Amino acid sequence: GQQLNQSPQSMFIQEGEDVSMNCTSSSIFNTWLWYKQDPGEGPVLLIALYKAGELTSNGRLTAQFGITRKDSFLNISASIPSDVGIYFCAGQGMNYGGSQGNLIFGKGTKLSVKP
Amino acid sequence: DGGITQSPKYLFRKEGQNVTLSCEQNLNHDAMYWYRQDPGQGLRLIYYSQIVNDFQKGDIAEGYSVSREKKESFPLTVTSAQKNPTAFYLCASSIDLQYSPLHFGNGTRLTVT
Repeated sequence: GQQLNQSPQSMFIQEGEDVSMNCTSSSIFNTWLWYKQDPGEGPVLLIALYKAGELTSNGRLTAQFGITRKDSFLNISASIPSDVGIYFCAGQGMNYGGSQGNLIFGKGTKLSVKP
Repeated sequence: DGGITQSPKYLFRKEGQNVTLSCEQNLNHDAMYWYRQDPGQGLRLIYYSQIVNDFQKGDIAEGYSVSREKKESFPLTVTSAQKNPTAFYLCASSIDLQYSPLHFGNGTRLTVT
């Protein structure tokens, strides 16, 4: 079945540094979503991408839908302590009519920020 | 404010007991979902529902059951047949089943001993 490889698994950075994480797959996706999850809470949508090559920003966050449709990255600029959390990518496959019953999640990138 | 409410936040049960997790949304979304999250893992789909009185199995439906009698509500029952029920359970909804992003509740942490 379809799988997503999300990397890195965890990151320890200094406040003010930029962060980059990505997701790759051997399968083609038609939607990429990026979520952030705080401890003990539900994931919150950060950015949604719907077209290959699309580059979208949300404040200090920027995400891109890869040209090949098999990857996506998320960048965070000038990190701050409240960026701490787990970031998940999610891809929606093309094989089943775009149903979100086939939304696949990466295993997450745990971000720690040192003040 | 519109949103998804999961209750309770923490739930403790003895092995062999069925337990039902509540999920209510006032977003007027047609589609609702249940995911299971284990430490260091991505979210895995248990069940989803496109409309009232209809639901489909996800990747890990064994040992779980759902109902969708009202648009706003999608309760999940964890049965005694579920071999490893201790986990963090997340309910989500979306406008439809196609391309609209999922909105999540704040989860229920179930511990079975």
